[in-house]
Amino acid sequence: EAQVTQNPRYLITVTGKKLTVTCSQNMNHEYMSWYRQDPGLGLRQIYYSMNVEVTDKGDVPEGYKVSRKEKRNFPLILESPSPNQTSLYFCASSRDREYQPQHFGDGTRLSIL
Amino acid sequence: SQQGEEDPQALSIQEGENATMNCSYKTSINNLQWYRQNSGRGLVHLILIRSNEREKHSGRLRVTLDTSKKSSSLLITASRAADTASYFCATDVGANSKLTFGKGITLSVRP
Repeated sequence: EAQVTQNPRYLITVTGKKLTVTCSQNMNHEYMSWYRQDPGLGLRQIYYSMNVEVTDKGDVPEGYKVSRKEKRNFPLILESPSPNQTSLYFCASSRDREYQPQHFGDGTRLSIL
Repeated sequence: SQQGEEDPQALSIQEGENATMNCSYKTSINNLQWYRQNSGRGLVHLILIRSNEREKHSGRLRVTLDTSKKSSSLLITASRAADTASYFCATDVGANSKLTFGKGITLSVRP
């Protein structure tokens, strides 16, 4: 089954404790992206990747890092999480630049205390 | 900055009625997409309409695009309770195909 898998689905942690949210897709997609969803603000893009070893900032990249060492994986790293990063995070992928419908994971709800 | 703005913010209709949702945007687009999000789940792609297209259909969904007015509408015909969800428009802008989402419309379909 074609899917985007995020882990963990839920996490409560404390300020400053580094964490990684993993994202994996099994569709051989080139394009992957991370979003955060906050009430009243909709979805905002954090980082995206056009292909392996190619990443770029989205609208709200501050406080986040990503890497794309393999085509299927696109982890989101919070080196020193802060309470304002409490949010619902989504990973998405699409085949390439020309075929844009994105497949979303089920989301990761992060609470930073 | 928000590229796509949906209207209305919330819509409540009776099962069997049609639901019309609108999206306006500010700059030229490559394509416009509509997504659905059920509570607590990820977004699901519904339909994509390219900038050179004016109308597209998919099952009970009909999407129109008016590039002169920079607006799109999503029509769901013969709505069902299962259509209850949030609906988002997303615009594909620029060379990097960056998708920018609106804030969404909450649709409630009463049985």
